[in-house]
Amino acid sequence: DAKTTQPNSMESNEEEPVHLPCNHSTISGTDYIHWYRQLPSQGPEYVIHGLTSNVNNRMASLAIAEDRKSSTLILHRATLRDAAVYYCILRDGNQFYFGTGTSLTVIP
Amino acid sequence: KAGVTQTPRYLIKTRGQQVTLSCSPISGHRSVSWYQQTPGQGLQFLFEYFSETQRNKGNFPGRFSGRQFSNSRSEMNVSTLELGDSALYLCASSIGLAGAREQFFGPGTRLTVL
Repeated sequence: DAKTTQPNSMESNEEEPVHLPCNHSTISGTDYIHWYRQLPSQGPEYVIHGLTSNVNNRMASLAIAEDRKSSTLILHRATLRDAAVYYCILRDGNQFYFGTGTSLTVIP
Repeated sequence: KAGVTQTPRYLIKTRGQQVTLSCSPISGHRSVSWYQQTPGQGLQFLFEYFSETQRNKGNFPGRFSGRQFSNSRSEMNVSTLELGDSALYLCASSIGLAGAREQFFGPGTRLTVL
């Protein structure tokens, strides 16, 4: 089964970069790696996704290991609004596996 | 552009009853996925519909079913409700199949089973 493993929680100081890791050692060759985040009392929000190459958008960067067994979400300058649970998601056969996510605390 | 809407936002039912939840995707989106979120199990995938056909399905019992209409709106039905079905049910839409596409989530329907 394609599963993801993430640290339960992480802390970051405001305005510093944050690297959120995700292990997905059983990923198949055609599965995209997705990252979403969920703020309290809201539905998940798309952050970024990629297949093999590193990806950048206005919210974050996604660094994918060459063997694709791990990836890292990079928030370049954490703000208080980035405090959320971050999920690394894979397709597992015909369904999507969210995992338990990483709760990010941003310290002012 | 309007976001994903879900109705109702809150629902209280009793064991044994059935419930239907509704999801209206973003205009132009053809894929609708459903998820269940509970404190104990986290976010779990229920199923995905694309062009009125169920394309993917999670590991839930047959009491959980869904359908998608020609306008891409989707409904999810849970029959013979159990206490453990109490959860936040989230719907997400995407332009194409969700595996390679960005999904947009609605605010969810909070179902309480008494």
